[in-house]
Amino acid sequence: AQSVTQLDSHVSVSEGTPVLLRCNYSSSYSPSLFWYVQHPNKGLQLLLKYTSAATLVKGINGFEAEFKKSETSFHLTKPSAHMSDAAEYFCVVSDNSGGYNKLIFGAGTRLAVHP
Amino acid sequence: ETGVTQTPRHLVMGMTNKKSLKCEQHLGHNAMYWYKQSAKKPLELMFVYSLEERVENNSVPSRFSPECPNSSHLFLHLHTLQPEDSALYLCASSQPPGDTQYFGPGTRLTVL
Repeated sequence: AQSVTQLDSHVSVSEGTPVLLRCNYSSSYSPSLFWYVQHPNKGLQLLLKYTSAATLVKGINGFEAEFKKSETSFHLTKPSAHMSDAAEYFCVVSDNSGGYNKLIFGAGTRLAVHP
Repeated sequence: ETGVTQTPRHLVMGMTNKKSLKCEQHLGHNAMYWYKQSAKKPLELMFVYSLEERVENNSVPSRFSPECPNSSHLFLHLHTLQPEDSALYLCASSQPPGDTQYFGPGTRLTVL
């Protein structure tokens, strides 16, 4: 069965410093992995997606994630945090075992950015 | 967010009311989803429709009744809800075999 574990429920950084949000996955086959972001009182927005074409995936707003099969990790990074990055971030794995697409969500990491 | 729209954005209802949530997608997708997002819980998949047929019903209580009249519209009919049903209800769509889902802004439901 597919699953994801987000290792931190809360991360706090200062504006201008790097961001690291950690995610480990479990999958019986080569997975599709995603990061979604949710700003307060908003729906979920796709940040980036890994589909085996390249292990380093670039997303919107300067975020990127690296797929490491040996570590079963898909951590999200950004070199320099901005106040507008404060939001909740979800690591997600796709499960197509039922004959249709299903997304399995992690519990989320709330990112706080301080001036 | 204009790809998937949801109405209403906020809804307050009593336990004896009947109401419906509406989702519309303008992306030409043929799969649609309802999710429930409660405080301090991971997103829960409730229902999946593919080509207007329900393909998953994730042990959701019968007080939630989905309807998919065509590939662009999805409804969630609500009746005799409980206060613990208060949550953000999110709709999403995708185009299989692609697995990227696009989400609407959600309906914030409060049951009194």
